[in-house]
Amino acid sequence: QKEVEQDPGPLSVPEGAIVSLNCTYSNSAFQYFMWYRQYSRKGPELLMYTYSSGNKEDGRFTAQVDKSSKYISLFIRDSQPSDSATYLCAMGSTSGTYKYIFGTGTRLKVLA
Amino acid sequence: KAGVTQTPRYLIKTRGQQVTLSCSPISGHRSVSWYQQTPGQGLQFLFEYFSETQRNKGNFPGRFSGRQFSNSRSEMNVSTLELGDSALYLCASSGTGGLQETQYFGPGTRLLVL
Repeated sequence: QKEVEQDPGPLSVPEGAIVSLNCTYSNSAFQYFMWYRQYSRKGPELLMYTYSSGNKEDGRFTAQVDKSSKYISLFIRDSQPSDSATYLCAMGSTSGTYKYIFGTGTRLKVLA
Repeated sequence: KAGVTQTPRYLIKTRGQQVTLSCSPISGHRSVSWYQQTPGQGLQFLFEYFSETQRNKGNFPGRFSGRQFSNSRSEMNVSTLELGDSALYLCASSGTGGLQETQYFGPGTRLLVL
């Protein structure tokens, strides 16, 4: 079992829809949770960063962390065609060898 | 500020050859991390360099190595290439490499091993 599981998609939604992207994880030591967006032929860019549990909102994006369920989510409101990209979750811990563990990414396509 | 740059952007090599990839971090950043991205495995951590020293290492064979120079530029070397090494290699830089810091990724080098 991978430390971080993410549905690869693809996920197709109409413009204006609310998108929900999710990751589950198995290592309870993770304290830092991130969402990255990666456009085709580009490197990932950080979208949201959360430390420990709770919600964080930034414009149309909301990140949720539920440490008791080992589950994190990214919600995109009023989705736009420009949101079409691959979304990667990532988690980090100050213990262990690896600093960040990434999910495999979910491909999102927002249809105009 | 200029972003993270990686050269070359594309490479084609044959099995058994070796390859060196280069990464120039954002000015002032001292931590450089390398990742391998493949469709099946996603983004996997290779290693991190800080102040010319390897600080963290992922679970990759010894054929993968790296180094960092005094100006924080970093190189990654893969020797005796295998078909499975075909991937997008990404580097990311941050100030000091703390988990609370944002990592800035370069565009990657796409390596194809034939």
